Amino acid sequence: AQTVTQSQPEMSVQEAETVTLSCTYDTSENNYYLFWYKQPPSRQMILVIRQEAYKQQNATENRFSVNFQKAAKSFSLKISDSQLGDTAMYFCARGGFQKLVFGTGTRLLVSP
Amino acid sequence: DSGVTQTPKHLITATGQRVTLRCSPRSGDLSVYWYQQSLDQGLQFLIQYYNGEERAKGNILERFSAQQFPDLHSELNLSSLELGDSALYFCASSASDNYEQYFGPGTRLTVT
Repeated sequence: AQTVTQSQPEMSVQEAETVTLSCTYDTSENNYYLFWYKQPPSRQMILVIRQEAYKQQNATENRFSVNFQKAAKSFSLKISDSQLGDTAMYFCARGGFQKLVFGTGTRLLVSP
Repeated sequence: DSGVTQTPKHLITATGQRVTLRCSPRSGDLSVYWYQQSLDQGLQFLIQYYNGEERAKGNILERFSAQQFPDLHSELNLSSLELGDSALYFCASSASDNYEQYFGPGTRLTVT
């Protein structure tokens, strides 16, 4: 089975600090994409960042960056300068052809 | 706002009934995906349509069916509803198979 594993069910961080969420995945495909989605209490699924597997350079979007280790099949999300609005469930997902396969999520709480 | 719309927002119905969920993809997107998010199952891929044709099937029950119309909107039909079908149903769209998926706000289905 091609799975995505998020080993941290919950994490807490204080405002302005940095936090890293972990994700590992399994795939037999050569061409695939990796994503982090954020799901705040509103339950909307919001795309945070994407990484193409063929690119060696780690993706960055403002305060969000990834550490993509292809050989290790690892894809972690770093949130810098955490804000209260970052409080949400974060899902790692692997995409390729067709469906996304999601991890079970990490609940992040940012406190003042 | 992702550009993907879903109606209705909430649906409450009784066991044994049939409901239809509707999704309009982002302008220009040809692919539509349906996902189910329940408390104990995480996000599960149900089915994908691409330009009117079924492209991939996931863990979709035989009681569930979907279609994509010529104007590219999609409908997910759920019949003979059971209590366990209560969940948040998301529609997502993408330009093609290998691109990021943008999610609608979801339809919360409650079966009583």
